[in-house]
Amino acid sequence: GAVVSQHPSWVICKSGTSVKIECRSLDFQATTMFWYRQFPKQSLMLMATSNEGSKATYEQGVEKDKFLINHASLTLSTLTVTSAHPEDSSFYICSARDGAEHQPQHFGDGTRLSIL
Amino acid sequence: GQNIDQPTEMTATEGAIVQINCTYQTSGFNGLFWYQQHAGEAPTFLSYNVLDGLEEKGRFSSFLSRSKGYSYLLLKELQMKDSASYLCAASDSNYQLIWGAGTKLIIKP
Repeated sequence: GAVVSQHPSWVICKSGTSVKIECRSLDFQATTMFWYRQFPKQSLMLMATSNEGSKATYEQGVEKDKFLINHASLTLSTLTVTSAHPEDSSFYICSARDGAEHQPQHFGDGTRLSIL
Repeated sequence: GQNIDQPTEMTATEGAIVQINCTYQTSGFNGLFWYQQHAGEAPTFLSYNVLDGLEEKGRFSSFLSRSKGYSYLLLKELQMKDSASYLCAASDSNYQLIWGAGTKLIIKP
């Protein structure tokens, strides 16, 4: 149980393109989903916390207009990287929590984004 | 401030035992998580401790001492597939996870 699906796995696109990443909880309802980015050999960096039906809470330094998050249902959250530039190239990972706050986060497989 | 410390890299031999330590400083504490992350993949959940003591789960065990702000992950009967990064994450008073940088574990035959 507790499977999270993230799509796409890889994206290579030109600078200026907007990219949408989907995160789905397949066998549970996730009231809270999280978006992280990770640079090589570094830890996970939380970008934002997404609660179903409300606006996402962004971490300090993360541009909300640059990284649009939508959590329209209990099983789907999306992250859109708008007008992506090479510095946005990274590994983006979503996670979802099944239930109470002490429950573990379950991660999607991640999206490797390369902006040319 | 909030901080997690864990060794950057460890090396162990196949079949042996290894202990990965983690110390944490957080504003409030609601438990400690261990995750395994293979290169290029997303983390997978290993264990959660909120009370002092040892939690055993097959070859993997996790220990917590709240008074010392300390945890360790113990891996027994090491296998080559255990080569990965192991992430320690503490949950603070707001249930926000504070992540360590991860310990890269290298298993040698």
